[in-house]
Amino acid sequence: GAGVSQSPSNKVTEKGKDVELRCDPISGHTALYWYRQRLGQGLEFLIYFQGNSAPDKSGLPSDRFSAERTGESVSTLTIQRTQQEDSAVYLCASSLSRGAGYSNQPQHFGDGTRLSIL
Amino acid sequence: AQTVTQSQPEMSVQEAETVTLSCTYDTSESDYYLFWYKQPPSRQMILVIRQEAYKQQNATENRFSVNFQKAAKSFSLKISDSQLGDAAMYFCAFPNFGNEKLTFGTGTRLTIIP
Repeated sequence: GAGVSQSPSNKVTEKGKDVELRCDPISGHTALYWYRQRLGQGLEFLIYFQGNSAPDKSGLPSDRFSAERTGESVSTLTIQRTQQEDSAVYLCASSLSRGAGYSNQPQHFGDGTRLSIL
Repeated sequence: AQTVTQSQPEMSVQEAETVTLSCTYDTSESDYYLFWYKQPPSRQMILVIRQEAYKQQNATENRFSVNFQKAAKSFSLKISDSQLGDAAMYFCAFPNFGNEKLTFGTGTRLTIIP
């Protein structure tokens, strides 16, 4: 498809388990962002990729969270030893931004992964 | 750091009427962009409209327009002729200079009354 694709759509797991969330950005988009949205709240920035490098990881809440991107395409967000406070919708977005200022390039979002920790 | 404030957690409007959603922000930048995104129950964030701060003219996209007051750091969204499909959460967003990561407001839930 032409849009940002995320999988799985929903994930239910037990506390303490590891989870992997996947994002397929729009082809040709060099910038990729992960955000977290807790129930009834706005989006919080987690991490930014430009190409395969992650120059801004400032939003990752703890060292249990990590992400990588390969081939300037697919990205995976991994949460280790999940806790109940990790329950949220995780949204991925991509854009044509080159990370050099203001490009006026909008971010295109996927449908998100709803993560529920039991 | 930028901050974005949406002071209306919920709004409702009669179908076909006009509604205005407010947003204020704080920044030290002089040239920047602002966005309004819509999030229906499907969860996907959909770009509604964008405003370039250096432009005097308010942005318009069909039934959606903004009232941009740069000096007051205010960026409100006006929806004219409201339709049932406009029901959603609306978020105001400000990009960071450089990597353009977005800072979002807390959102306004818009209900359309038939």
